[in-house]
Amino acid sequence: DAGVTQSPTHLIKTRGQQVTLRCSPISGHKSVSWYQQVLGQGPQFIFQYYEKEERGRGNFPDRFSARQFPNYSSELNVNALLLGDSALYLCASSLFGGEGGELFFGEGSRLTVL
Amino acid sequence: QKEVEQNSGPLSVPEGAIASLNCTYSDRGSQSFFWYRQYSGKSPELIMSIYSNGDKEDGRFTAQLNKASQYVSLLIRDSQPSDSATYLCAVNEGGGAQKLVFGQGTRLTINP
Repeated sequence: DAGVTQSPTHLIKTRGQQVTLRCSPISGHKSVSWYQQVLGQGPQFIFQYYEKEERGRGNFPDRFSARQFPNYSSELNVNALLLGDSALYLCASSLFGGEGGELFFGEGSRLTVL
Repeated sequence: QKEVEQNSGPLSVPEGAIASLNCTYSDRGSQSFFWYRQYSGKSPELIMSIYSNGDKEDGRFTAQLNKASQYVSLLIRDSQPSDSATYLCAVNEGGGAQKLVFGQGTRLTINP
């Protein structure tokens, strides 16, 4: 079975640009979460979507937005990119949306902002 | 701000020995706990989940949870060089969402 798939795997942007990252969850999983991982640190929670509704939002500015589609895939958008947005962006899917659900991560999208 | 603390290491263990990784968390109300393994340049891979006090074993891995003391640990028996990686402890913050709070990770090196 295919795991969580993310695209693109690598991308380079310049300050002020916008980026869209895409994620397809494991088949049958209805919950998608987004995390940001800066080098040397653990991932930080950005958003969770379950059944197309936002379930949780982390401590990120409004430049970050996301949505989930009827097929449970998801997009993360980041506007007005800053140098500090350079990171590995991880998508995780879970069968259920509740607190005890196990999260399975994709390979990530590595964003470099110049 | 809810916190998860791990010793960043590096932790060096000889091949065949037991590696012990520890994690403490600040939110006494947390109910779900996870260990992830992350190889350099790769994404986190789920190793274990644990929800109740006590031990949970899966192959060479044992997770231990003590909610009263607010700590979670991971033991790796018969350590192999392929176990060399960063191990991330994650705690669900709760509040109805799947919001994992991660520690900064412990870098483990298994020496042949």
